Amino acid sequence: EIVLTQSPGTLSLSPGERASLSCRASQSMSGSSLAWYQQRAGQAPRLLMYGPSSRPSGIPDRFSGSASGADFTLTISRLEPEDFAVYYCHQFGSSPPTFGQGTKVEIK
Amino acid sequence: QVQLVQSGGEVKKPGASVKVSCKASGYTFTSFGITWVRQAPGQGLEWMGWIAGYNTNAHYAQKFQGRVAMTTDISTTTAYMELRSLRSDDTAVYFCARGSGYELLDYWGQGTLVTVSS
Repeated sequence: EIVLTQSPGTLSLSPGERASLSCRASQSMSGSSLAWYQQRAGQAPRLLMYGPSSRPSGIPDRFSGSASGADFTLTISRLEPEDFAVYYCHQFGSSPPTFGQGTKVEIK
Repeated sequence: QVQLVQSGGEVKKPGASVKVSCKASGYTFTSFGITWVRQAPGQGLEWMGWIAGYNTNAHYAQKFQGRVAMTTDISTTTAYMELRSLRSDDTAVYFCARGSGYELLDYWGQGTLVTVSS
């Protein structure tokens, strides 16, 4: 199975700063089979990014995604208070689907 | 609007079974699969399996094979996940989400806390 390794585990930043989250796949995979989810405390995950740079409707354009080989990056250009949460990457191109272990973005 | 509404929290003893429901609305139920994901306290997301909305074809993570059963009731647009022989490490929030094992998960239920304790 494809293992997704997210880094860093925790990112301590201030509102207004830029956040860069990494998700590395253990083997080559298509970016069209990768998604990112945001999970705020006590809530269900929410689809944030897919494909790897497409945003569902309602997701602000401060969120962007990119891919380079087996490395995927989620960038938040300027952190808003509601962006402090845990972010998970998810691959669904190879069975079984897998999730990364998550990156927590916390207020510094 | 698409909604997935899950059943309420459960407390079970070790060895028992639990069945969690996921009522779907706002879309054609048979056109999408339902995936089940769980999250142990303070931990990440764990994929359990998925079931097609249009038939009884279910696919399970190897870890849960023989202990889980996913079903759907098309007449009520409800998906179910039953987990048997519960252990304390099955204590988790269980989520349903719209999407098959080959798709992103675009809508999620609110989650159901299952607590396994003697």
